[in-house]
Amino acid sequence: EVQLLESGGGLVQPGGSLRLSCAASGFTFSSYAMSWVRQAPGKGLEWVSAISGSGGSTYYADSVKGRFTISRDYSKNTLYLQMNSLRADDTALYYCAKGMVGGVIVPPDYWGQGTLVTVSS
Amino acid sequence: EIVLTQSPDFQSVTPKEKVTITCRASQSIGSNLHWYQQKPDQSPKLLIQYASQSFSGVPSRFTGSGYGTEFTLTINSLEAEDAATYYCHQSSSLPWTFGQGTKVEIK
Repeated sequence: EVQLLESGGGLVQPGGSLRLSCAASGFTFSSYAMSWVRQAPGKGLEWVSAISGSGGSTYYADSVKGRFTISRDYSKNTLYLQMNSLRADDTALYYCAKGMVGGVIVPPDYWGQGTLVTVSS
Repeated sequence: EIVLTQSPDFQSVTPKEKVTITCRASQSIGSNLHWYQQKPDQSPKLLIQYASQSFSGVPSRFTGSGYGTEFTLTINSLEAEDAATYYCHQSSSLPWTFGQGTKVEIK
């Protein structure tokens, strides 16, 4: 059974940093692309970032490019999202998601339960 | 950026009724269109991948169709457990984008 468990969210001041983690299990972590998708309170879904199974290719939404960094640790089967220079409009529930079968970067099939990031003074 | 526009935004439906949700893309995306269901306080769940392929374990009443710029999610014989917001999502080109969502309420 695929399981994705996010952690690391919390309250942070504007300009601050947070690192989100996503512990993956139930599948061969290195074989699948992974993504982060966020959802602001009461709003729709917004793709944030994706990384290939090998980790060699990374992609970002323009809204986070230069501020967020996606990475993965194969020894820990964990996906990360380092978030710097946080702004109020980064406030959202952040979902970790596993990519579908096939392709370097593919859309999600399974999603975690999310971790809440609140940026406020 | 490819814009996905869903219609309607909201639909109130009686059980056993048929539901049709449309997703229109601002440019051709081939079959790179996927549908997700999000129930209140839950994470999204994949229903349909690549326009018409049912994901594992999804009830057969959920079907998808379309190609290019116009896509449809159909729920045949709606059940009470189908109350949710439904999102379309394109993976044809980055940045990946989602539709604004269609909320389906059970009367």
